[in-house]
Amino acid sequence: GENVEQHPSTLSVQEGDSAVIKCTYSDSASNYFPWYKQELGKGPQLIIDIRSNVGEKKDQRIAVTLNKTAKHFSLHITETQPEDSAVYFCAAYYEKLTFGTGTRLTIIP
Amino acid sequence: DVKVTQSSRYLVKRTGEKVFLECVQDMDHENMFWYRQDPGLGLRLIYFSYDVKMKEKGDIPEGYSVSREKKERFSLILESASTNQTSMYLCASGGPRYYGYTFGSGTRLTVV
Repeated sequence: GENVEQHPSTLSVQEGDSAVIKCTYSDSASNYFPWYKQELGKGPQLIIDIRSNVGEKKDQRIAVTLNKTAKHFSLHITETQPEDSAVYFCAAYYEKLTFGTGTRLTIIP
Repeated sequence: DVKVTQSSRYLVKRTGEKVFLECVQDMDHENMFWYRQDPGLGLRLIYFSYDVKMKEKGDIPEGYSVSREKKERFSLILESASTNQTSMYLCASGGPRYYGYTFGSGTRLTVV
């Protein structure tokens, strides 16, 4: 089955700087890659996603890149703000979603 | 917006009890899922269902069962709760395959 690895497990960034979270997947058949943000006391919420026929997607301060050859995908957050502090999960989809182990992002004011 | 509602935010149960976790979604989604979330392990799929009366085992089904009698409701059952089932349980629903799932707020279950 699919295996998704996510790094780093924790990340601290100065407010205003950029944050990058990286994931790798094992099953080349995976064709959809969403990212979720989980705030304290809440369920994960979809923030951005990318399909396998696209290399990059951007939504305001958030962008995701996909390298299908290397089976890598990454989340980039620019101009970080305190409200970006949360746990972020990547996932890969082929018939079902498989999640990474999460990254706790802390924005330092 | 799709809403996925889990009946309890916190539960404390005793070892050996039968536990029911309820999940209801209001957007007529075919697909529903139960995940377990543990620190350092991410979200692991317990069971899922693509239709009423249908269920499929996920990655960690041992010790659990599910019921889907109606499209909007998907229940997770712990037949005989054990302490290693202490965890956060998340229900999700989803439509067509390329759309991300919508999660409930979770149920934090403690088995003592």
